[in-house]
Amino acid sequence: EAQVTQNPRYLITVTGKKLTVTCSQNMNHEYMSWYRQDPGLGLRQIYYSMNVEVTDKGDVPEGYKVSRKEKRNFPLILESPSPNQTSLYFCASSFRSGGAPNYGYTFGSGTRLTVV
Amino acid sequence: GESVGLHLPTLSVQEGDNSIINCAYSNSASDYFIWYKQESGKGPQFIIDIRSNMDKRQGQRVTVLLNKTVKHLSLQIAATQPGDSAVYFCAENPPHYDKVIFGPGTSLSVIP
Repeated sequence: EAQVTQNPRYLITVTGKKLTVTCSQNMNHEYMSWYRQDPGLGLRQIYYSMNVEVTDKGDVPEGYKVSRKEKRNFPLILESPSPNQTSLYFCASSFRSGGAPNYGYTFGSGTRLTVV
Repeated sequence: GESVGLHLPTLSVQEGDNSIINCAYSNSASDYFIWYKQESGKGPQFIIDIRSNMDKRQGQRVTVLLNKTVKHLSLQIAATQPGDSAVYFCAENPPHYDKVIFGPGTSLSVIP
């Protein structure tokens, strides 16, 4: 089944303890992206990657890191999580056509992160 | 200072009726638009898309209409079913942007 897999689904952690949320897709998509979803603020892009070893900041990149060493994986790293990073996180992927991403994203099921 | 959250627009429809969900987009030069459906506890799911050189596109039970003059997008769902209850997001892709911009979403509730 074609899908984007995120892990874990739920995570409660303490301030300052480094964590990684994994994201993997099996559709050979070039484009991958991380979003956070907060009540009243909608979906906001954190980072995106146009292809392997190519990453760029989205709208809210502060406090996050990403890497794209392989086409299928795009982990989100919080080096020192803070309570304001408590949110619902989504990974998404899509093909690119003609150099531009095809924005029919496939989203993962989400990771609900709580930082206390 | 205190931040004020935005209330999510809501729409309630009777099962079997048609639903129309509206969206105003921001960039008159955007050339690609998408509708997503997000059910409770799940990630957004692609429904239908439309390019700016079209004003209407139909899928299975869904139709997207694009009015570039007033920067307006709508999603029509025919014969709405309980399984259509979800939050619906429109998204636009402005030119030279390597991403889409999501709207705030509309919560659709279907009354059995």
